[in-house]
Amino acid sequence: DGGITQSPKYLFRKEGQNVTLSCEQNLNHDAMYWYRQDPGQGLRLIYYSQIVNDFQKGDIAEGYSVSREKKESFPLTVTSAQKNPTAFYLCASSRPTGAGYDEQYFGPGTRLTVT
Amino acid sequence: GQNIDQPTEMTATEGAIVQINCTYQTSGFNGLFWYQQHAGEAPTFLSYNVLDGLEEKGRFSSFLSRSKGYSYLLLKELQMKDSASYLCAVSSYGQNFVFGPGTRLSVLP
Repeated sequence: DGGITQSPKYLFRKEGQNVTLSCEQNLNHDAMYWYRQDPGQGLRLIYYSQIVNDFQKGDIAEGYSVSREKKESFPLTVTSAQKNPTAFYLCASSRPTGAGYDEQYFGPGTRLTVT
Repeated sequence: GQNIDQPTEMTATEGAIVQINCTYQTSGFNGLFWYQQHAGEAPTFLSYNVLDGLEEKGRFSSFLSRSKGYSYLLLKELQMKDSASYLCAVSSYGQNFVFGPGTRLSVLP
């Protein structure tokens, strides 16, 4: 079955620690995305990657870092520089069409709590 | 840049019809998507419009007017399980896929 996996579902960390959230897809999609969602809010784009070994900052990239060494994998590191890291993190992927990108498929999300 | 607006909350009764509106401003429009998101879960795809008009999918329909920068999602025969947030998202050439703030729909018995 094709899909996107994120692990873990719940993650707890102490303030000042870096933490890496994993995202893997076997849909053979070129583009991958990381979003952050706060309670009662919409999705905000952190980073995205349209091709292996390349990625761009989204609207709220400060305090986060990513890598895209493999097509299937797009891990997100939440660094200690992120002031309010507690949130629901969603990874998504999509394939290019002739005119842009197709719909985005989402992983189940990781709920990060930093105390 | 892009700007997307949706009502924050809506309430409707089981069995009724509800229309959720979305207005947007963008250049290089390349498609509008609707997603459903239950609390604590990932968004799931509902519909896609790139040309003007109505797309029907069972109880759900989505309408687009590109000249007005306007779309709506129509939900018929509402069920309790339709209580969720509904996200409007716009795809534009050369720009990121942008999500609106979402509309939280409560279906009451």
